[in-house]
Amino acid sequence: AQSVTQPDIHITVSEGASLELRCNYSYGATPYLFWYVQSPGQGLQLLLKYFSGDTLVQGIKGFEAEFKRSQSSFNLRKPSVHWSDAAEYFCAVGADNYGQNFVFGPGTRLSVLP
Amino acid sequence: KAGVTQTPRYLIKTRGQQVTLSCSPISGHRSVSWYQQTPGQGLQFLFEYFSETQRNKGNFPGRFSGRQFSNSRSEMNVSTLELGDSALYLCASSSRGELNNEQFFGPGTRLTVL
Repeated sequence: AQSVTQPDIHITVSEGASLELRCNYSYGATPYLFWYVQSPGQGLQLLLKYFSGDTLVQGIKGFEAEFKRSQSSFNLRKPSVHWSDAAEYFCAVGADNYGQNFVFGPGTRLSVLP
Repeated sequence: KAGVTQTPRYLIKTRGQQVTLSCSPISGHRSVSWYQQTPGQGLQFLFEYFSETQRNKGNFPGRFSGRQFSNSRSEMNVSTLELGDSALYLCASSSRGELNNEQFFGPGTRLTVL
């Protein structure tokens, strides 16, 4: 069965500092990987996705993620965090190559200090 | 283009009652997925509908059901509510329901069961 782990429940960084959120997945075939962000009271917004090809993918809001098959990881990075990035971040894996059956990680809550 | 809308936004019910939640996808989208989000279990996939047919189903009891209409609007129903059904229910739509189609999430319906 597919699974996603996000080892960090809560991360606090200072504004302007770099950020890396960790994601590890378990999936037998080629994974379809996603990062979503959820602000309080909002639905989820897609930051970026990986299906194949270049293992470094660029997303919106200055985020990027790197797929490492050997480590079963898909970590999210941002070089300089803004206060508006404070939110909950979810990593997800497509559980099928057909349809929208996603398995989400437990999420990492990001706090940003001024 | 209007986003995914969900009604109602907030709902309070008592144990044993039933509830119906509604989701209107983005115009032209044919796939609608439902997720349950709770602090303890995180985001869990309920089911996906595509062209009025349930295409995928998560691991939830039969009390949870859904349907999709010809205009792609979807409803989910929960019968015999339990306290543990208190959650944020998110709906997401995509154009063709394939993994390389972005899912757009609605703001959710917050259900409280007393």
